[in-house]
Parts: sequence; structure tokens; C-alpha cells
Amino acid sequence: KQEVTQIPAALSVPEGENLVLNCSFTDSAIYNLQWFRQDPGKGLTSLLLIQSSQREQTSGRLNASLDKSSGRSTLYIAASQPGDSATYLCAASSTYQGGSEKLVFGKGTKLTVNP
Amino acid sequence: DGGITQSPKYLFRKEGQNVTLSCEQNLNHDAMYWYRQDPGQGLRLIYYSQIVNDFQKGDIAEGYSVSREKKESFPLTVTSAQKNPTAFYLCASSRTGGNYYEQYFGPGTRLTVT
Repeated sequence: KQEVTQIPAALSVPEGENLVLNCSFTDSAIYNLQWFRQDPGKGLTSLLLIQSSQREQTSGRLNASLDKSSGRSTLYIAASQPGDSATYLCAASSTYQGGSEKLVFGKGTKLTVNP
Repeated sequence: DGGITQSPKYLFRKEGQNVTLSCEQNLNHDAMYWYRQDPGQGLRLIYYSQIVNDFQKGDIAEGYSVSREKKESFPLTVTSAQKNPTAFYLCASSRTGGNYYEQYFGPGTRLTVT
């Protein structure tokens, strides 16, 4: 059974700092690895999706890497801003028979960027 | 605009009452999902549906029921049998098949049962 762990559970940094969020998963037979952002009381916004054949994806100040052999993914945020404050969730993806996606989520890292 | 809508945003019910949460999508996605989120926890899957008139139990289906009569709609009923119904409920949808999948999430419904 797939289990996803995110460390740290919470992180507080000053504005402008570069930071790394960590995600580990127990079953390397994943299809994708997704990173989401969740603001308080809101739904999830997809940030980056890394296919199992890829090693990283970049979007603006965000870079996500994937190492299936070690069961790890990292989300790198460059030059952090107060607007980056949110909870970041990672999810390991496999597929159900029939083709839809099964996501197993970590508990998230709550990020606070202080002005 | 394409997307997923959930209503209502906040829902209050007395213990012992059934309540139905709405989820609608206009993304033409075949698959739809219901998740539950508790404070400090990741999302846990309640039910999913890959096609109209078919649905499957997720990891925590006890005390919940769903229907999928239309492609666009996947309502979730929280029954009186659910022991701890107070939570944040999220609906999602995705394509099926293809090279990779991505789930799109609605804004959520916060249910409080007293």
C-alpha cells in the first residue's frame, strides 16, 4: 500500500529565501507525482505534475524533481514571497483498472513566508 | 469558463440527518472523485466514478453514498451512519486513458454536524 510522507510539517522563512519541501513515497511504481497548493479553506490548485519518465518540471519560481529509485520528490521554491504562504501537498499517482487516476496524498507542509 | 463547482460552501446539519453535497463539472471528464480532508491530514478518497452509472468505494466509504446519473454530476450523501461527518469535502474530476492524468479540484464544502 502506497504511503506518502511530507517533511517538514510546517516551515517558516523570511521573504526572499530559497526553500525545499520534501516528499517521500513507499511504492516506486507510480505513474505521476503531483504537487498541489492549498490556501486556507480552499480547494487544491495543481502546481506541477511530473510523469514517471521525467526527472523534473519547472514553472516560474517552482521546480519539482522526482527520483523514483529512492522514492523521493522535492519542490524547490526560489526567492519566496509572502504570497507563497499556503499548504503544499504532494500526491503519488497510479491508475485504477479502467483508466482513472488514483492519488495518495501526503499530509502537507504548511509554509509561512514572513515579510 | 470550464471548471468544477461545489455547493454549498458551508453546510450545517443536526446529528442524525442525511445531507447531500453537490458537485458539477463542465470539463467533459469521465472520472469524478470525492475526498475528505480533516485538519492536518492529507486527502482521503471516499468514492470515485469512472463512467456514468458506475462508481467504486474508496478508502473510507462507510457512511457515505453516491450516484452518477449524469456525466457532469456526482453528488455525495453523508448519511447518519457516518460517525464523524464534520470535515472539509473536496470533489475532483479527470480524464481517463491517455498518457497522463491530472485531477482538477473544486472549491470544497465544509460540513459541520452538531
